[in-house]
Amino acid sequence: SAVISQKPSRDICQRGTSLTIQCQVDSQVTMMFWYRQQPGQSLTLIATANQGSEATYESGFVIDKFPISRPNLTFSTLTVSNMSPEDSSIYLCSVDKGTDTQYFGPGTRLTVL
Amino acid sequence: GQQVMQIPQYQHVQEGEDFTTYCNSSTTLSNIQWYKQRPGGHPVFLIQLVKSGEVKKQKRLTFQFGEAKKNSSLHITATQTTDVGTYFCAALSNSGYALNFGKGTSLLVTP
Repeated sequence: SAVISQKPSRDICQRGTSLTIQCQVDSQVTMMFWYRQQPGQSLTLIATANQGSEATYESGFVIDKFPISRPNLTFSTLTVSNMSPEDSSIYLCSVDKGTDTQYFGPGTRLTVL
Repeated sequence: GQQVMQIPQYQHVQEGEDFTTYCNSSTTLSNIQWYKQRPGGHPVFLIQLVKSGEVKKQKRLTFQFGEAKKNSSLHITATQTTDVGTYFCAALSNSGYALNFGKGTSLLVTP
């Protein structure tokens, strides 16, 4: 398993501003993932973040809106840029420990006014 | 990617009744995974099925993978209030490492 922490746990932001979410893992992992989960909905993959390379974004998500950093094997950040109310969601990071299964962080609940 | 459809969307049962959620794909899946998300929580991995026709049990939970590897089910026997949550199936995407999640089945258990 893996112990994953996220900061902040929640935030309320004004439209037009940006928020950076941090994800910390207790062990080194190659693959980290960022998901969005809107209220009552399923998880949608935003991007895959591998250390030492550019993040791979899913259809509908672009780097200018969701820049990602992966400076080392235990840490990643996701920035939600130029926010609008439609960005209100829970943002989750997850890791793959090499077994194809994923372990999730507790999530960041974002509200954009 | 390997998209999965999940039904039902919601299920409300009395404590002690059984519950089943189904996951279907139009393509053959390499594996299927199941996750549980409690209200206000994050998804937690339950199990992974890989082999055709595989059946795995975790106490009152029984997981099945279809012979054609295109469908899966999660059955809970004699539900308890602690079973409340949303159950997601997930399959590997085209990338081979990211997951595509089903829409989930939200289970409500009333005592």
